[in-house]
Amino acid sequence: AQTVTQSQPEMSVQEAETVTLSCTYDTSESDYYLFWYKQPPSRQMILVIRQEAYKQQNATENRFSVNFQKAAKSFSLKISDSQLGDAAMYFCAYRSASAGTALIFGKGTTLSVSS
Amino acid sequence: AAGVIQSPRHLIKEKRETATLKCYPIPRHDTVYWYQQGPGQDPQFLISFYEKMQSDKGSIPDRFSAQQFSDYHSELNMSSLELGDSALYFCASSFYQMETQYFGPGTRLLVL
Repeated sequence: AQTVTQSQPEMSVQEAETVTLSCTYDTSESDYYLFWYKQPPSRQMILVIRQEAYKQQNATENRFSVNFQKAAKSFSLKISDSQLGDAAMYFCAYRSASAGTALIFGKGTTLSVSS
Repeated sequence: AAGVIQSPRHLIKEKRETATLKCYPIPRHDTVYWYQQGPGQDPQFLISFYEKMQSDKGSIPDRFSAQQFSDYHSELNMSSLELGDSALYFCASSFYQMETQYFGPGTRLLVL
């Protein structure tokens, strides 16, 4: 069974600084998708970024980018120029490309942003 | 852009009562997913439907059932509610079952 591990329960960053959230996963599959979702205090789940395992190029969405290391099964999220609105719980998630449709989430990292 | 709609947004029930949660997917999305998020926990997958057929099943209790209707909306029916069922229930939708899932705002269920 696939598992997702987020080893940092809490992280903090100053406004305008850069922060990296870690995520590792375990799978025997070669084709899969990885996601980062953001859950602010409103508890809405918001898609931040998506990475297909077959793509070597790291995904980027504005201030958000990932460092995808397939061999190491690592998928970290970098937030540049942090803003107060980035404060939230961040979940890393895995989904198989061939077996099942469920998202498997990590336990989450709470990010606080200070001015 | 239109998002996933869930109703009701908040629900309070007594133990042993029943509850029905509704989900309206993003227009043209044909797949819906249900997740349960307990306090301080990550979301857990319950069940999904593609083109009105159950496509995947997770840790959904036997007391719960769900279906997807011809207009693609979905309902999660929960019976014999227990205190432990108190949680945030998310519905998500996607265009085709292998595409990115977009989440609704959730329904907060409190069982007293």
